[in-house]
Amino acid sequence: GENVEQHPSTLSVQEGDSAVIKCTYSDSASNYFPWYKQELGKGPQLIIDIRSNVGEKKDQRIAVTLNKTAKHFSLHITETQPEDSAVYFCAGYTGRRALTFGSGTRLQVQP
Amino acid sequence: DVKVTQSSRYLVKRTGEKVFLECVQDMDHENMFWYRQDPGLGLRLIYFSYDVKMKEKGDIPEGYSVSREKKERFSLILESASTNQTSMYLCASRRDSVGTFGSGTRLTVV
Repeated sequence: GENVEQHPSTLSVQEGDSAVIKCTYSDSASNYFPWYKQELGKGPQLIIDIRSNVGEKKDQRIAVTLNKTAKHFSLHITETQPEDSAVYFCAGYTGRRALTFGSGTRLQVQP
Repeated sequence: DVKVTQSSRYLVKRTGEKVFLECVQDMDHENMFWYRQDPGLGLRLIYFSYDVKMKEKGDIPEGYSVSREKKERFSLILESASTNQTSMYLCASRRDSVGTFGSGTRLTVV
């Protein structure tokens, strides 16, 4: 089955800096890659996603890139703000069963 | 917006008790899921259901069962709770590939 690895497990940045979280996947059939943000005491919320026919997608300060050949995808957050502090999860989806999640990255933005 | 509601935010149960975690979604989604979240392990799939009365095992089904008698409701059952089932439990529903999560139930088994 699909295996998704996520790095780093923790990330601390200064407010205004950029943050990058990277994930790799194992199943070449995966065609959908969402990113979820989980704030304290809440369930994960979808923040951006990308499908396998696209290499990059942006939404204001966040962007996701996908390299199908290398089987990796990344989340980029620019101009980080304290409210970006949260746990971020990447996931892969083959169209079968359910999303397979990475182990999560705790992002801390220092004011 | 899709709303996924988990009936309890916090639960404390004793070892050996039968525990029911309830999840309700309001958008007529066919697919519903139960995940378990533990630090450093991400979200692991326990069970999922793609239709009423249909269920499939996920990656860690041992010690759990599920029930889906109505489309909007998906219940997770711990047949005999054990301390290693202390965790955060997340329910999700989905149409196509996009999933929506509930706020989670933090279960402590003592």
